[in-house]
Amino acid sequence: AQSVAQPEDQVNVAEGNPLTVKCTYSVSGNPYLFWYVQYPNRGLQFLLKYITGDNLVKGSYGFEAEFNKSQTSFHLKKPSALVSDSALYFCAVRHFTGGGNKLTFGTGTQLKVEL
Amino acid sequence: SQTIHQWPATLVQPVGSPLSLECTVEGTSNPNLYWYRQAAGRGLQLLFYSVGIGQISSEVPQNLSASRPQDRQFILSSKKLLLSDSGFYLCAWSVLLGFDEQYFGPGTRLTVT
Repeated sequence: AQSVAQPEDQVNVAEGNPLTVKCTYSVSGNPYLFWYVQYPNRGLQFLLKYITGDNLVKGSYGFEAEFNKSQTSFHLKKPSALVSDSALYFCAVRHFTGGGNKLTFGTGTQLKVEL
Repeated sequence: SQTIHQWPATLVQPVGSPLSLECTVEGTSNPNLYWYRQAAGRGLQLLFYSVGIGQISSEVPQNLSASRPQDRQFILSSKKLLLSDSGFYLCAWSVLLGFDEQYFGPGTRLTVT
């Protein structure tokens, strides 16, 4: 079964410092991985995805993620955090099933960026 | 551009009452459609998905049902709500059979009292 794990419930970082939100995956076959962000009482917003190709994927709002096949990881990164980046972040992996495009999400990591 | 709408935004319903949540997508055709529930502000649970009109796949047995009466309309229903049905309900769409991401609506906050 396809799954992702987010080992940290919360990550705290000072504004201006680099941030990393961790995600590891377990899939059979090629992984199709996604990152989403959720602000309070809002729907999820897509940040970036890895399908194939370059291991460093660039996304919205200055975020990027590094795909590492040997470590089965897909960590989200940003060189310089902003207070406005404080939100809940989800890693997800795509399933192929019955013609549908299903995603399984991790449990989420709360990012808190402080001044 | 594509947009996805959900209503109502918030809902407070007594136990045993019926439920109908609606989701509509604009600006695309033949989308895959999804209903998720998010409990306690964290994990997302896929409830139903649909690859076409009248076609519904259920992920977990529960007190809820879904219908897709039109190509871009997805409805989540219940005949009798339980306390455990409380949560944040999210609708999403994606390109049919594509590798694209899912796009989420703004959500409906349901509180069952």
